[in-house]
Parts: sequence; C-alpha cells; structure tokens
Amino acid sequence: QSALTQPASVSGSPGQSITISCTGTSSDVGGYNYVSWYQQHPGKAPKLMIFDVSNRPSGVSNRFSGSKSGNTASLTISGLQAEDEADYYCSSYTTSSTYVFGAGTKVTVL
Amino acid sequence: QVQLQESGPGLVKPSGTLSLTCAVSGGSISSSNWWSWVRQPPGKGLEWIGEIYHSGSTNYNPSLKSRVTISVDKSKNQFSLKLSSVTAADTAVYYCAILTVTTGGWFDPWGQGTLVTASS
Repeated sequence: QSALTQPASVSGSPGQSITISCTGTSSDVGGYNYVSWYQQHPGKAPKLMIFDVSNRPSGVSNRFSGSKSGNTASLTISGLQAEDEADYYCSSYTTSSTYVFGAGTKVTVL
Repeated sequence: QVQLQESGPGLVKPSGTLSLTCAVSGGSISSSNWWSWVRQPPGKGLEWIGEIYHSGSTNYNPSLKSRVTISVDKSKNQFSLKLSSVTAADTAVYYCAILTVTTGGWFDPWGQGTLVTASS
C-alpha cells in the first residue's frame, strides 16, 4: 500500500489560516469517511487532532477542522499560533482492512 | 484514562528478531478496542504495522506481514510485537496505540515510543 500524498511543507504567519491536503484513492480516502489527522512535535508521540474526517476529540482546539472531497481530505488550521508548528500526518482505513498514513507535512509558523 | 508503555531491547542484530511489549494501564486489554503498532524511522513518516483484538484476531501491513507477529497476553494486560529477519531499514521508533473502530478507525492514545536500532 502506498502512503497518502501530503505536501512536504506548509507555512503561514500568526493569525492566518492554512490548509494541508491528503490525497489518496477510492480504495482509501475516497472510499470511507475514516480519515484521521495527527500532530507530532519533535521527539514526541503523535496526538490525535481529527477523526472520521471532521470530528474533534475533546480538548482539541476548534481552530482545527477537517473535511473531505472525493479522494482528498484536508486539515485546516485557523488563527495560526506558534504552538501549531509541528509535523502533521493523515491516516485512512483501506479496502484491504488495513491503515495507511500520509508522508507528513511540516507546518512552519513564520 | 488508558495509558500505554512500550518496552524492549533498544538494539537488535541484523537478521535477528525485534521483540517489544506494550503494557496497558488504566483499562483492560479485553475492552472493545483494537491494539496497534506503528513505527517511524528516524526523520521519516509513520508506518502502520498491524493490530490485534483481545480475541486474537489480527491484521497486518501487507509489506511486513511475512515477518510480523502481534500477540496479546490478557493475564498481564499487555500485547506484543515480534518482527523477524530485521535489517537496518527496521531501525525506527516503535509506538503502540489504541485503535478505536466504533465508526471509522483512529489511533488514540499513543505510548511514548521506543527507539529500536538494528545494528551489529
């Protein structure tokens, strides 16, 4: 199974909004509403930010939102803050009853 | 609040077998969750290794399936990973995580991770 496609890096200034895309196929992202997103700071374990495309776990800021169109899912961070600088990964369930991650996107706050 | 803690040797010889354990605290491994392993090579992205249910049912990443075994020990409230015939490419931080599949499937929470290096 191939990794989902994410941009290597995305940057924005404090207060701005940025969007990270996650492109797969009809066998994963496009086939199910089972996309999740994770934030990872250096040296730390990943943290769940979004599940089932657009749901936020309790405790996650409402500045984080998710959506999906066809084979591409997206994570939007609004009101960008310095603490949002991290790596972000998407994940999807697949038709093979397995899970696949994206290659990761480094978010830089300018 | 369920917590996970990985443990095992940090160094494995090439062609040897990597063995890790994930201890579950604050909850039962017999609950309605799948228990999963994910790895991350240094400076690279996440890779799903596989999952197990307390009944023993498993699913593995096809690219690793021939070398991976995940098992559960209910008496110790833990689950384990074995990866055989390791090479330098298996050097990574290995995480255990709960995979919730009530609707979709998401990984939360995660253990802190443990670095395993394949080297002689």
